[in-house]
Parts: sequence; structure tokens; C-alpha cells
Amino acid sequence: GAVVSQHPSWVICKSGTSVKIECRSLDFQATTMFWYRQFPKQSLMLMATSNEGSKATYEQGVEKDKFLINHASLTLSTLTVTSAHPEDSSFYICSASYGTGYTFGSGTRLTVV
Amino acid sequence: AQKITQTQPGMFVQEKEAVTLDCTYDTSDPSYGLFWYKQPSSGEMIFLIYQGSYDQQNATEGRYSLNFQKARKSANLVISASQLGDSAMYFCAMREVPSGNTPLVFGKGTRLSVIA
Repeated sequence: GAVVSQHPSWVICKSGTSVKIECRSLDFQATTMFWYRQFPKQSLMLMATSNEGSKATYEQGVEKDKFLINHASLTLSTLTVTSAHPEDSSFYICSASYGTGYTFGSGTRLTVV
Repeated sequence: AQKITQTQPGMFVQEKEAVTLDCTYDTSDPSYGLFWYKQPSSGEMIFLIYQGSYDQQNATEGRYSLNFQKARKSANLVISASQLGDSAMYFCAMREVPSGNTPLVFGKGTRLSVIA
């Protein structure tokens, strides 16, 4: 149990366009979803925490107008990278708490050209 | 200040040997949880082992064990009988409060390479 499905696995987009990444909890209700970004050969850095039905809490230095997070239901959280630029190219991964642990999506590799 | 410190950017180990990956942490909260994850090149995060701050025994999960030294604030991962498939990035992570609705904070990771 406790599976989070993340889509797409990878996406290539043109500079200036927007990209939406979805994370769905398949067999449990994810009240809280965490969004991380990982640059090559680096660690996972928390971008924001989203709670169902309320505004996301962003970490310092993360532009909330650029990285729009929506958590409209207990099973779906989305991250939209707006007006993407090459420096936004990264690996984005979501995570939800479940019991005493956490479950992660499989990640989305975003490349902005 | 770094909450989780992994001082070994890369490690090599011979197949079938044991290897220890270091992790130290910093927290003033008496209740916390420590996690280790494996991240292969595919990017998925694979949970390996968990240690709660109040757990009396060191955690073990198959070939993985956690050497928990609370006074030293260290939580080293020991992998016994290394296999080629163990080659990956390994991250130590901490949750500072018992509530599940708290994000994990990750260390910088250690890249383990298992040599045949």
C-alpha cells in the first residue's frame, strides 16, 4: 500500500511554457504532500509543503508565483512550473507521509530547452 | 547549519564485503526519526531503514542495519554482503518531530560503487 503515482516521468518543454506535474495517492488519502527538487549530483531540497484545501507553504528562496502548487483533493497534488527556463531543468519528486514513514513518487525529469 | 551531514561523497566496496555509510545529525528535539534511502540512477527513492530516537535497539532490515549512537548523534548505515545492485546514491534523512506531516531533511548523499 501507500503508493504515490507521479506523472509525467519526464518532460521536455520549450522555454517560456508551463509544465504541470501530478502526484496521486492511489490507495490512501494524502493530507500533506511534500515537493522536492533535485539537481544533478545533489540532494533533495524541499520546495514546498501542500495541505489539502489550503495554500502551500514554500521554502525560503522558492518563487511561489513560478512554482504553483495545488492540492485540491486528498488524492491529488499538482506542481506547475510556469514560464519555465533552462535553469528550472531538474528532477522533481513528491512525497507523502504515511503512517510513521513516507512514500515517494517516481519523480519527473524536466528539461527546458 | 546542516541538519544532516554525510561526509563521504563516494565510497567503493568489494562485492560481498560490508560497508558503512556515515551520517551525523543535529537536532535539539528529543523526539525524531532517522531514515535511510537508496536512490538508483532511475531516481526513485527506496526506503531502507528507520530508527526512532527512543528506540532501544538498533534497527535492522535484512542486509541493512543502522548503527545508532545517540550521544554522538550518529546513525550510520551498514550494508552487509554488498551486491552489485547496491551501487546507488544513499541518503540519510531526519524528521524532527513525531508527526508525520513534517518533511524529511536530507543529507547530501553518498554514492556507493560496488566492485566485482
